[in-house]
Amino acid sequence: AQSVAQPEDQVNVAEGNPLTVKCTYSVSGNPYLFWYVQYPNRGLQFLLKYITGDNLVKGSYGFEAEFNKSQTSFHLKKPSALVSDSALYFCAVSTWSGTYKYIFGTGTRLKVLA
Amino acid sequence: DSGVTQTPKHLITATGQRVTLRCSPRSGDLSVYWYQQSLDQGLQFLIHYYNGEERAKGNILERFSAQQFPDLHSELNLSSLELGDSALYFCASSAGQGARGETQYFGPGTRLLVL
Repeated sequence: AQSVAQPEDQVNVAEGNPLTVKCTYSVSGNPYLFWYVQYPNRGLQFLLKYITGDNLVKGSYGFEAEFNKSQTSFHLKKPSALVSDSALYFCAVSTWSGTYKYIFGTGTRLKVLA
Repeated sequence: DSGVTQTPKHLITATGQRVTLRCSPRSGDLSVYWYQQSLDQGLQFLIHYYNGEERAKGNILERFSAQQFPDLHSELNLSSLELGDSALYFCASSAGQGARGETQYFGPGTRLLVL
């Protein structure tokens, strides 16, 4: 079965420190991977995606993600966290099973402490 | 602002009732997707329409139905509502048929509370 896992329900990091939000996946074929962020009482906002090419993908608000095929991971990173980065982060994979659809991870709540 | 609009923002109703949620996709987008976000089940894909035709079904209950109209807006109908249907319902849109690698853009959601 195709799936996405976000092993941490919550990540706490001090403002100014680097942050990592983890995501691993299990899909057949080449993965198409996405990160979305959800602020309180808002919809999901697209951050970045990996389709092919360079393993390091840069996205909105200074976020980047590294695709690692051998470890089947797509961790979200930012060199210096801001308090305003505090939100719920979702990893998703685009899959084919007769039709295309997204499978989302369960989400990781990021809390950046001042 | 993603360009996807959803109405209403909030909906409070009683068990057994029926409600309709509305979504307007971004200008030019042909696909509309519906998701349910509840506290205990995360984000669940419900259904996908492309240019008026149903393309994929996810974990959608038989009490729920959807359609996409010629002007590309979509409606999600929820009937015989139960307490457990209380959730945030999101609509998303994309330009094409949802092929791998295609980004989905999400609306602000409709918060449904069933009492």
